[in-house]
Amino acid sequence: QVQLVESGGGVVQPGRSLRLSCAASGFSFSSHGMHWVRQAPGKGLEWVAFIWSDGSDEYYADSLRGRITISRDDSKNTLYLQMNSLRPEDTAVYYCVREDSGGYSYFDFWGLGTLVTVSS
Amino acid sequence: DIVMTQSPDSLAVSLGERATMNCKSSQTVLYTSNNKPYLAWYQQKPGQPPKLLIYGASTRESGVPDRFSGSGSGTDFTLTISSLQAEDVAVYYCQQFYSTPSWTFGQGTRVEIK
Repeated sequence: QVQLVESGGGVVQPGRSLRLSCAASGFSFSSHGMHWVRQAPGKGLEWVAFIWSDGSDEYYADSLRGRITISRDDSKNTLYLQMNSLRPEDTAVYYCVREDSGGYSYFDFWGLGTLVTVSS
Repeated sequence: DIVMTQSPDSLAVSLGERATMNCKSSQTVLYTSNNKPYLAWYQQKPGQPPKLLIYGASTRESGVPDRFSGSGSGTDFTLTISSLQAEDVAVYYCQQFYSTPSWTFGQGTRVEIK
């Protein structure tokens, strides 16, 4: 069955860096574009970043561009999110999300998420 | 960016009754080349990640009960739960995937049991 398992979250001080990982299984990882979406405590959903299935390009939310990098390693079926210069407002659950491979770009499967807390 | 606005913010419905919620986009999400609305609905139960319910405004994802239905086109969309069950208590989000690479969500509608 499809699985997306995020890891790498935790408590980090403002200004520090963190790298999130997402291990994918149960599907052809290299056939899907992949996203990160975050959700601050008690708040709604915010799209963060996207990478094409072939890794040829990436896109970022304006609010985070310049501080984050999305990447993938198809040999390891793993998606990454490098986060730098973290701020308290980056505190959120970060979800790894699979995009539909049929031409649409809705999000057809979500991981359980990993919590990032930015606090001194 | 396309702004998605959902209404109401919350609603309380009796078990077995109909629940209806709305989503409005700040501009059309209808892709004219294929005449398909690029609009999805997600359900997020407490303590769980979101789950895809509907895409293309009205196509149910595999395994989604048929009491869930979506409608609308252009800028105005509706998600209806025809007969509310206890397990439907959740927050429901709409999302546009028309204006990529900037995917945007509505603020959510919380559904509770009256």
